[in-house]
Amino acid sequence: GQNIDQPTEMTATEGAIVQINCTYQTSGFNGLFWYQQHAGEAPTFLSYNVLDGLEEKGRFSSFLSRSKGYSYLLLKELQMKDSASYLCAVSDSNYQLIWGAGTKLIIKP
Amino acid sequence: NAGVTQTPKFQVLKTGQSMTLQCAQDMNHEYMSWYRQDPGMGLRLIHYSVGAGITDQGEVPNGYNVSRSTTEDFPLRLLSAAPSQTSVYFCASSTTPGGGLSGANVLTFGAGSRLTVL
Repeated sequence: GQNIDQPTEMTATEGAIVQINCTYQTSGFNGLFWYQQHAGEAPTFLSYNVLDGLEEKGRFSSFLSRSKGYSYLLLKELQMKDSASYLCAVSDSNYQLIWGAGTKLIIKP
Repeated sequence: NAGVTQTPKFQVLKTGQSMTLQCAQDMNHEYMSWYRQDPGMGLRLIHYSVGAGITDQGEVPNGYNVSRSTTEDFPLRLLSAAPSQTSVYFCASSTTPGGGLSGANVLTFGAGSRLTVL
């Protein structure tokens, strides 16, 4: 079967750095997405990786290793507004997205 | 610049009732989809469409029906509501299904519809 694993919950301190991991086992691979979802709201796109390596976008970076079935989202200079759930999703061989359950990130002052 | 508009935001149904969740997008996206989101689980695809007149089943299609008569609209029908269909439903659209070397083809989500079936 297809599976996406990510930690259920993480806690970090304002101003610090946090890394959210995602491992996947899917039938085929056509890219990996990270979305942010604030409580009670819709998911919004953060980053996309289709080739191995690091993609940087301001305070957020995302890394992909296809051989290891692994990605991480790195958030720097954490702000209180970064408190949200972070969803990892993989596009499979049919270009359908398989979603992880999400990682709830709690930021403490 | 409305994006994806979903209605209603909240709905309470009794078991056996039917209802339609509306979804409309103004971005001329060919791909539209419906997801449900339940606590502790990832988003699960219910139905999707790659263009007007074309629909297909996702991971959890039972108890739901869709149609795509226009590019803009993609309603989701609950035929006979059951408590197991209590969930938050999201409609999402993109130019094409996501992924590939040509680019992300990012999904734009509607605001969500919280459905409770008693």
